[in-house]
Amino acid sequence: AQSVTQLGSHVSVSEGALVLLRCNYSSSVPPYLFWYVQYPNQGLQLLLKYTTGATLVKGINGFEAEFKKSETSFHLTKPSAHMSDAAEYFCAVSGFSGGYNKLIFGAGTRLAVHP
Amino acid sequence: DADVTQTPRNRITKTGKRIMLECSQTKGHDRMYWYRQDPGLGLRLIYYSFDVKDINKGEISDGYSVSRQAQAKFSLSLESAIPNQTALYFCATSDARQGALETQYFGPGTRLLVL
Repeated sequence: AQSVTQLGSHVSVSEGALVLLRCNYSSSVPPYLFWYVQYPNQGLQLLLKYTTGATLVKGINGFEAEFKKSETSFHLTKPSAHMSDAAEYFCAVSGFSGGYNKLIFGAGTRLAVHP
Repeated sequence: DADVTQTPRNRITKTGKRIMLECSQTKGHDRMYWYRQDPGLGLRLIYYSFDVKDINKGEISDGYSVSRQAQAKFSLSLESAIPNQTALYFCATSDARQGALETQYFGPGTRLLVL
């Protein structure tokens, strides 16, 4: 069985500060890992994903995440927050079983950016 | 134009009413999904369909039914709505040809309130 835990349902940072959103996963098979972002009144948009290969994954809007197998983590970071980064972020894990990538989502972390 | 569209975007209904949510996509993907989002719970899978003749239950299918009218259309029905079905509903699509790199693409969501 697979699961995702996102530490912190709400994170608040100052504009220009480091963004760190935490995600830990559990998976009995080699995981594929995703971060999605949901802006207000919009659907989910893929930010980045890890399948195989390089453990540091770069995504859109300056975000990146590092897959650490030993820590079962896939934390999302951005060096300098912008006001436009305010959104809800979801980590998801999947395993390619049953013929497709079944996604299991974390509960989400709402990021607030203040001036 | 959006690749994945959902109608209606917002709906208020009464307990016991039948309601249908519709999803259309122009991405040419074969796979389609319905999720619901509840605060603090992330997204949970209701139903998924690999093609027009292949429909499967997700983790929370009770009280819901679906219809895949065409490759591009996937509808979700609540046969007799109840208040705990108040949620944000998302449709998603994916392309089986991507194999292990398969990514799900989300519509903008339908906000449903059951009184």
